[in-house]
This record gives sequence, C-alpha cells and structure tokens, in this order.
Amino acid sequence: GQQVQQSPSSLVLQEGENAELQCNFSSTATQLQWFYQSPGGSLVSLLSNPSGTKHTGRLTSTTVTKERRSSLHISSSQTTDSGTYLCAIDTSNTDKVVFGTGTRLQVSP
Amino acid sequence: NAGVIQTPRHKVTGKGQEATLWCEPISGHSAVFWYRQTIVQGLEFLTYFRNQAPIDDSGMPKERFSAQMPNQSHSTLKIQSTQPQDSAVYLCASSLPGAEQYFGPGTRLTVL
Repeated sequence: GQQVQQSPSSLVLQEGENAELQCNFSSTATQLQWFYQSPGGSLVSLLSNPSGTKHTGRLTSTTVTKERRSSLHISSSQTTDSGTYLCAIDTSNTDKVVFGTGTRLQVSP
Repeated sequence: NAGVIQTPRHKVTGKGQEATLWCEPISGHSAVFWYRQTIVQGLEFLTYFRNQAPIDDSGMPKERFSAQMPNQSHSTLKIQSTQPQDSAVYLCASSLPGAEQYFGPGTRLTVL
C-alpha cells in the first residue's frame, strides 16, 4: 500500500529563516494535500497540490509526480508557523488518504 | 459554512463505559472519514463513508468500535467497553469526491 515519508522529523528555525519540508511517497498519487496542525489543534488544509507548483501567501509547494515527492517551502518563517506539518496522499485513486508522520517545526523569536 | 462539526469536544469516561462521538460533515460533502490521533501512533485512519455507505473500515478495531452514517448530515463513532488505550483525539473529516479533506476540531476522549 501507499507509504508516506516526511523529512525532517523536526526543524528548529529563527524567525525570518526559510523552511523546506519534504514528502516522499511510494506509489503514484492523484491527490496530495499539505496540512498544518497547531499544538493541541486540529488539521488545517494548506495546499492541495498533486502536481506542479502552487503558491499561497508565504507557502510554496512543488510536487514532482514521476519522482514521487513533494516539498513545502515556508518563506520568512514566523513564530506562529510553529506546529506540525503533515502531507497526505491518496491511495489507489480512492477518497482514502495516507498521512505521513509529519515535520514538527519550531520557530524561535 | 460552519465547517465540520464534532461533538463533544472533550469526553471523559470510566473504563468499561460506552462512548459515542458525533460528526456533522460540511453540507454537500459525500465522503466522511474518521481518524484517531495519539502521540505514539500519530494519525491513524479508522473508517470512511461515501454517500452514507461504509466503504473501508480497515482501520477499525473490530471488537468494540463501530461507525454509522444514518443520514447525510451526521455520522457517529461508538466505542463500547472503553479501555485506557482508547484515549486519543478522534478526528472527523469530509470531502467532495476526490477532493481535499476538511477536518473538524476533534473530540478528545480520555478513558480513566
């Protein structure tokens, strides 16, 4: 079945630095979604990006489908960006998705 | 649009009691998902419905967990004879077919 690996598992930055998060998956994906989860909070959808490059605010996601990888770039990080970032990939073109284990980001002032 | 609604937000039960968790998906969304999240296991898929029909319950512990979707506006997750290891945040999500999932705030279940 679909397997999803995220790296790094944790990342510590100073405010203003950029972050690069990686997501690698084992099978072809028709759906790929990046989520943010604040400590103790629920999941908030950031971007849906099964292929190509998408931007929203300070976030840029690039997915290279044939290489089965996606990245999430956070520019000019802020302390409020601290939390866990999860990527989720569909399985066999169904509604069901598999989540990675996440990258825990901590941004210090 | 209120988003996905989950009730209660917190539930505390004694060992052996029953717990019922409720989810109201976003109006018009045909797929409803249940997940469980713990620090140790991370985010685990439990089950999902499409157009109220159960499609995949491969993540559900077989003996004490059950889920229903009696109508398009709500789904329930029932845990019988709760055990301390059932303590977790239970998350519900909904989506349009093949589209991105939207999550509710979750129900934090604590089994004493």
